Amino acid sequence: SQWGEENLQALSIQEGEDVTMNCSYKTYTTVVHWYRQDSGRGPALIILIRSNEREKRSGRLRATLDTSSQSSSLSITAAQCEDTAVYFCAVGTGGYKVVFGSGTRLLVSP
Amino acid sequence: EAAVTQSPRSKVAVTGGKVTLSCHQTNNHDYMYWYRQDTGHGLRLIHYSYVADSTEKGDIPDGYKASRPSQENFSLILELASLSQTAVYFCASTSGGGNERLFFGHGTKLSVL
Repeated sequence: SQWGEENLQALSIQEGEDVTMNCSYKTYTTVVHWYRQDSGRGPALIILIRSNEREKRSGRLRATLDTSSQSSSLSITAAQCEDTAVYFCAVGTGGYKVVFGSGTRLLVSP
Repeated sequence: EAAVTQSPRSKVAVTGGKVTLSCHQTNNHDYMYWYRQDTGHGLRLIHYSYVADSTEKGDIPDGYKASRPSQENFSLILELASLSQTAVYFCASTSGGGNERLFFGHGTKLSVL
């Protein structure tokens, strides 16, 4: 199957917990995108991490990138209810294609 | 903020009919993409374009055509719509291919009956 064709994974946590989502990709890339999609809307970028960064933070979000293992992770510290959304990673595959991973549906409960 | 506008926002089509989904961006971006999203799944790339008057096949191009008549406009055409093409379709644009953020439209919900 194609990368990203699988069903969304589901994660359910309590408010205040930390959570990490992982992304493994098979093609060479120097940039990994992380997007958030709220219900009924298009995806919106939350972090873009490049191969020379290894780690990038934005508020309570932290992304890592390991090009040797072709993997990336997105962590949310002290999750809030408003973090409830679907999260995707995406990579550029060369030739200007950008493909998405299968995604994680995160539910944060009070 | 970069803007990508899709039309229509939703559409009901009959099997075998022709459907055209439109996308307009005011970002001055060279790269534009069409993705489909099925309920409970991720986004799959249908077609993309990096310059006007040229389109490229993505991962699932069968049953779809694309047209890029200008830098601002990118259309997705279903010549013979089928039930299996019921999905939400997203258009996106970017300035840097896979190296920069994608800006997405709100999506078009297509139902083929």
